[in-house]
Amino acid sequence: DTQMTQSPSSLPAAIGDRVTITCRASQSIRTYLNWYQQKPGRAPKLLIYGASTLQSGVPSRFSGSGSGTDFTLTIGSLQPEDFATYYCQQTYNSPYNFGQGTKLEI
Amino acid sequence: QVQLQESGPGLVKPSQTLSLTCAVSGGSIGSGTHYWSWVRLPAGRGLEWIGRIYPNGNTYYKPSLKSRATLSIDTSKNQFSLKLRSVSATDTAVYYCARGSYQFRAGTYMDIWGTGTTVTVSS
Repeated sequence: DTQMTQSPSSLPAAIGDRVTITCRASQSIRTYLNWYQQKPGRAPKLLIYGASTLQSGVPSRFSGSGSGTDFTLTIGSLQPEDFATYYCQQTYNSPYNFGQGTKLEI
Repeated sequence: QVQLQESGPGLVKPSQTLSLTCAVSGGSIGSGTHYWSWVRLPAGRGLEWIGRIYPNGNTYYKPSLKSRATLSIDTSKNQFSLKLRSVSATDTAVYYCARGSYQFRAGTYMDIWGTGTTVTVSS
């Protein structure tokens, strides 16, 4: 299995901040890395796929980068609706494991 | 647009079988360009990928669940299902179904999700 490790587990931030969440894979996954946002009581929402491709309809303040084993999700200027939990997921090989999640908190 | 909706019992007794169905509307589940997945979220924990199934019936499972889980697909009803045998309290979670899509050089991703259904394992 390819294990995914996110950091930090929780991230205090304020409106307008620029924040970065990191995700590390236990082996190279090329750019087969996705990012999801999940709010309490809601289904996960796809933000970024292929490490850096923004899903249609997702605001441009979200961006992703990385390849191989190290990846980042950056939110350019935090908005109130961005406070949520973020997960990375690798789809290079089965099982398609998720990271443990990063909770973005006010 | 394509929508997914989970259904099934909200309460399952320990050692019994959890059975969930995901109904797909607005598109054909038999389309060769997509696959269909199950993901769960245990309370206080993170997302856990359970498995995926392709229209041709090929399946892939999380290794730790493989001995208990079965995914199936019914193209005539435009739905797919999850059965999880011998459940215990650790299987209590919100269960989501999701559509997997593929793009050249970007890999696969789950772009459409159901709203989720809560399953509690308790006697």
